[in-house]
Amino acid sequence: DGGITQSPKYLFRKEGQNVTLSCEQNLNHDAMYWYRQDPGQGLRLIYYSQIVNDFQKGDIAEGYSVSREKKESFPLTVTSAQKNPTAFYLCASSKGGASMYQETQYFGPGTRLLVL
Amino acid sequence: RKEVEQDPGPFNVPEGATVAFNCTYSNSASQSFFWYRQDCRKEPKLLMSVYSSGNEDGRFTAQLNRASQYISLLIRDSKLSDSATYLCVVNPHASGGYNKLIFGAGTRLAVHP
Repeated sequence: DGGITQSPKYLFRKEGQNVTLSCEQNLNHDAMYWYRQDPGQGLRLIYYSQIVNDFQKGDIAEGYSVSREKKESFPLTVTSAQKNPTAFYLCASSKGGASMYQETQYFGPGTRLLVL
Repeated sequence: RKEVEQDPGPFNVPEGATVAFNCTYSNSASQSFFWYRQDCRKEPKLLMSVYSSGNEDGRFTAQLNRASQYISLLIRDSKLSDSATYLCVVNPHASGGYNKLIFGAGTRLAVHP
């Protein structure tokens, strides 16, 4: 079955620690995205990538980093510079290309990050 | 003003009821609109896209009002399984050429027996 997988489901971070969230898709999608969801707020875009080896900051990129070395994979690192990392992190992908404005974004099951 | 605004609810309705949600958006140049459904502690899933002429999918009807800059979702004959948070999503077609989506905070629906 095609889809998006995220791991781990839950992640605990200690103060001063960097942690990496995994996102893999086998939908052959060019575009991938990372969002953060906090209670009572809409999803906010952290980073996005339209193609391999290229990515751009979203609205709340500070304290986060990404890489896109493979089409299938778009890992997100939450660095120690992110002072309030507790949230639900969602990875998404879409086909990409000329008709991108009409595209559906498909989401992975998410990772809950908690700070110890 | 938020780019996409929704009434957070909750809307508590009995099974079989008809319920409607509205969502307003601030960018008049927006061209693409969607409703996503999100179950508790799960990922959002596309419910339906919203087209200019309005569209229907079974018990769900979506409407777009460009003049007033709002979209609506109507659910008829509510089922217990419709209980979820409904996210209004707008693509403002911002410059830069990427598929940016703006999410509302969601409207929570609780259907009771």
